[in-house]
Amino acid sequence: GAVVSQHPSWVICKSGTSVKIECRSLDFQATTMFWYRQFPKQSLMLMATSNEGSKATYEQGVEKDKFLINHASLTLSTLTVTSAHPEDSSFYICSARVLAGARGEQFFGPGTRLTVL
Amino acid sequence: SQQGEEDPQALSIQEGENATMNCSYKTSINNLQWYRQNSGRGLVHLILIRSNEREKHSGRLRVTLDTSKKSSSLLITASRAADTASYFCATDYRGGSEKLVFGKGTKLTVNP
Repeated sequence: GAVVSQHPSWVICKSGTSVKIECRSLDFQATTMFWYRQFPKQSLMLMATSNEGSKATYEQGVEKDKFLINHASLTLSTLTVTSAHPEDSSFYICSARVLAGARGEQFFGPGTRLTVL
Repeated sequence: SQQGEEDPQALSIQEGENATMNCSYKTSINNLQWYRQNSGRGLVHLILIRSNEREKHSGRLRVTLDTSKKSSSLLITASRAADTASYFCATDYRGGSEKLVFGKGTKLTVNP
């Protein structure tokens, strides 16, 4: 149980285009999902916390107009990178908080590798 | 920054040896978790240890937590080549919003 999927697993796009990444909890409900980015050989940095039915909470330094987050249901959150540029190329990982799980317990998706040309 | 630190940054050992990785953090926590990440892949949850626990075991993994020193260690016994991966600690800070703060990670290489 507690499986999180992401789609797509990788995407290559041209500079200036927008890319949408989906994060789904497959066998549980998640009121809270988290979005991270990871640059090569570095750790995960939290971008935003996504709460079902409300606006996302962004970390300091993360542009909310550039990284649009929508958590429309208890099993789906989306991250849209708008007007992507090469510096947005990164590995994006989502995680989901189990509704009735232990505090801090998160399950991670397999990640989406974004390459912006 | 609340980001924790792991040491060593990289560790290379032979199969069968034990591997020890350490993690230090900065403020009071509710719990600390260890994750594993194979190159270019997502994270796999290994162990969660709560602030009132001192030691926890799971198979070949042993995690300790010393809240007075704000540190934790992950021991992998009888390592295998398949244990080669990056290992991260992540802390859930007390008073925070359940978001996790990840350390910088230790890259473990187990040579066959």
